[in-house]
Parts: sequence; C-alpha cells; structure tokens
Amino acid sequence: EADIYQTPRYLVIGTGKKITLECSQTMGHDKMYWYQQDPGMELHLIHYSYGVNSTEKGDLSSESTVSRIRTEHFPLTLESARPSHTSQYLCASSEPGNQPQHFGDGTRLSIL
Amino acid sequence: GENVEQHPSTLSVQEGDSAVIKCTYSDSASNYFPWYKQELGKGPQLIIDIRSNVGEKKDQRIAVTLNKTAKHFSLHITETQPEDSAVYFCAASGTGNQFYFGTGTSLTVIP
Repeated sequence: EADIYQTPRYLVIGTGKKITLECSQTMGHDKMYWYQQDPGMELHLIHYSYGVNSTEKGDLSSESTVSRIRTEHFPLTLESARPSHTSQYLCASSEPGNQPQHFGDGTRLSIL
Repeated sequence: GENVEQHPSTLSVQEGDSAVIKCTYSDSASNYFPWYKQELGKGPQLIIDIRSNVGEKKDQRIAVTLNKTAKHFSLHITETQPEDSAVYFCAASGTGNQFYFGTGTSLTVIP
C-alpha cells in the first residue's frame, strides 16, 4: 500500500559513525518532510523540502542534514552519530498546498 | 507558530462503545485538520481530514467535527473494534503549509 519507502527499518550503530537514512517516494510529490518521533510520542519536524534543491530546517533543532537532488529522493545524514540521536525517524511526502501527508514506516535508530 | 493540544493522552473503551479525542489549536489561520492513526511499528496513516469551510465530516464509523470559533476539533469513533487500538494524532496546517501535530492519544479497545 505504501508508496513511500524508508531504509533501513532498523539500525544499531556505534557512536561517531556517519549515517544516511534513505527515503524514496513514487508519487511525484514535491513536498517531503523528516520527523523525529520517540515511539508513540509527538512528531517533531526536523527538515522539509518544497522541491528539488529546496531544503529547510524544521522547528526541532537537529544536527542532521538533508539533500533533495531528485524529486523522489530525500536522504537524511548524520555526520557523527551520538547516543542522543537514538529515536525513530519518519519521512513523509505530500502534494503542494494543504494536502494529506503520506508517511513511510520509519527507521528506528539506536546509537550505542 | 501554531500550538496543537490533544486530550486525552490515553483512552480505554469497551468494544462497541464510542471514543472521542479532542484537539485545540492556537492559530486562527490554520485551515486544514487531518487525523492520523499509527499502529505499532508503522508510520502514521491518514484516516480522515477536514477543512475549515466544513463543520463536520463522516466516513463510516469515523467522524470529525470542527469548531472554528472555539478553535477545536474532535475525532469520533463509533462502534469501536479491537483493531481500532492504536495511537491517534491530530494535526493542523495553515498558510505556511507546515503541519503541527498533537501529542497523541493511545486508544485501547477492550474486547
């Protein structure tokens, strides 16, 4: 059913490693988002994009970075992972304007 | 910016009973209010939404009401079933097209 895919689903990795979380959507949506969510808790927007070559920071400060070179792809990178980065990361996309967001199933990240 | 509050944080109901989840928002410019259901290990899925030009919307057992004057909107689930058990999030979006989410309600339907 989902047309938005996140990989990996789970990642356990040591401190200091560089991590890239992948997000791809096949719906041709211009808008894409990254949220951070502790399980079952509130979603916090960390990055969003209005289209190719557009990236903006969200309300929650994050040490991660994003890129949007292609419409369908919106990867998130942590240059040096720390235990405080342990969380679930959700990617979403939507059509322009106030339209429903479509979410991926998330990446559960654990930094040791 | 927008502030969305959601209550209750947890809700338990007997199967067949109704469940109501309420949200308030602060920005009068918000004009789109989706509701999402998140099951364990999954991303949030849209279950119903409402725009500011409508006061109520219904889809089978699920309905949403919006009171623009009071800046609150509610999710109503009737004839609850065990598969309705999940975490539900409300959200509000306005002219900036960013979505502001509530803190979630964990609904448990007891068979």
